[in-house]
Amino acid sequence: KAGVTQTPRYLIKTRGQQVTLSCSPISGHRSVSWYQQTPGQGLQFLFEYFSETQRNKGNFPGRFSGRQFSNSRSEMNVSTLELGDSALYLCASSLVLGEQFFGPGTRLTVL
Amino acid sequence: AQSVTQPDIHITVSEGASLELRCNYSYGATPYLFWYVQSPGQGLQLLLKYFSGDTLVQGIKGFEAEFKRSQSSFNLRKPSVHWSDAAEYFCAVGAQGGSNYKLTFGKGTLLTVNP
Repeated sequence: KAGVTQTPRYLIKTRGQQVTLSCSPISGHRSVSWYQQTPGQGLQFLFEYFSETQRNKGNFPGRFSGRQFSNSRSEMNVSTLELGDSALYLCASSLVLGEQFFGPGTRLTVL
Repeated sequence: AQSVTQPDIHITVSEGASLELRCNYSYGATPYLFWYVQSPGQGLQLLLKYFSGDTLVQGIKGFEAEFKRSQSSFNLRKPSVHWSDAAEYFCAVGAQGGSNYKLTFGKGTLLTVNP
């Protein structure tokens, strides 16, 4: 069974631009969560989607948004990029509450 | 709100030596507990998990962890470390409030293995 895939793997943007990251969960998994990983703050929860509905949201500004499609694929969008948004963005999928399986991440660099 | 503390930012051990990585959590009820490992530039790989039952859990790559409710701890152990174990290790607690569920991670422990 294929794992969680994330595209693109690497991305370079400039301040003020917006970016969209994509995540395809493991087949059959309906929950998708997003995390931001930075050296300073570590791993922080962004949001979680289940059956196209956002069930939970972390403490991030409204510039960070997401959505989930009927096939469980998810996208997250960051608008008006700031230097501090440079991070590894990780997506995780799960079948039931509890265990989450992570993708390889998207490395976003904001210049 | 739940929280996780990994007291050791960086640990260095010699290959073949035993390893223990510490993790303390804060949560009002019985949590779901996890250990993940991350190699440079990679995502997180699940090593082991505790949901309920036997407090000593076995994971992949020869790792084990013990849940101690009285100490709010979930320490990771390995009897003999291999050079390929060098990576960053994250302890996480999963907590549910209604239909809301998320993982809260510790800051991680970087493991260096000397030959």
